[in-house]
Amino acid sequence: DVKVTQSSRYLVKRTGEKVFLECVQDMDHENMFWYRQDPGLGLRLIYFSYDVKMKEKGDIPEGYSVSREKKERFSLILESASTNQTSMYLCASSTRLAGGYEQYFGPGTRLTVT
Amino acid sequence: AQKVTQAQTEISVVEKEDVTLDCVYETRDTTYYLFWYKQPPSGELVFLIRRNSFDEQNEISGRYSWNFQKSTSSFNFTITASQVVDSAVYFCAPKDTGRRALTFGSGTRLQVQP
Repeated sequence: DVKVTQSSRYLVKRTGEKVFLECVQDMDHENMFWYRQDPGLGLRLIYFSYDVKMKEKGDIPEGYSVSREKKERFSLILESASTNQTSMYLCASSTRLAGGYEQYFGPGTRLTVT
Repeated sequence: AQKVTQAQTEISVVEKEDVTLDCVYETRDTTYYLFWYKQPPSGELVFLIRRNSFDEQNEISGRYSWNFQKSTSSFNFTITASQVVDSAVYFCAPKDTGRRALTFGSGTRLQVQP
């Protein structure tokens, strides 16, 4: 079974803090993704990575950065957290970039910025 | 650009009723994929089905069935004899072959009452 884990289920941070969200997958997937989920908006893509050290912006990258130093790990970084970044963050991985292969999701991290 | 509409924000049914979740998508590509995911209260998205645009046959998996109508750009999901465990948010997500990630709808929350 594919397993995608995220470092925290719940996180509370203060405005201006630097925040790291970690994601690890154990199936040697090339592709990894970060989404945020907000009520009524579905999931929106923040960033994705198709290989180690390779990344591309998604639909809403402003205020975020990412790091992929190892194939199994993909980190989302909030350089200076703001209250509008309070959200559920979901990490996903998949075997192929172009094509139809399904993404496997982690359990999510619910981040609250106060 | 892709767009997906799940017009039903929330549906409530009584156990054993049949229920259909609607999904209408927009795409300019002739080749694309369509996905459905389930998000139970635990939060982790679970892959349900992938369908490519060349395969218009309907699919049945146990109590679940999917109706793909390319002419109307719809990919509807029906649960037969619903159960309380079906209570979740369901997302429809198209994906063009050239696009990096899935485009998620806003989701439909299904409540199955005992």
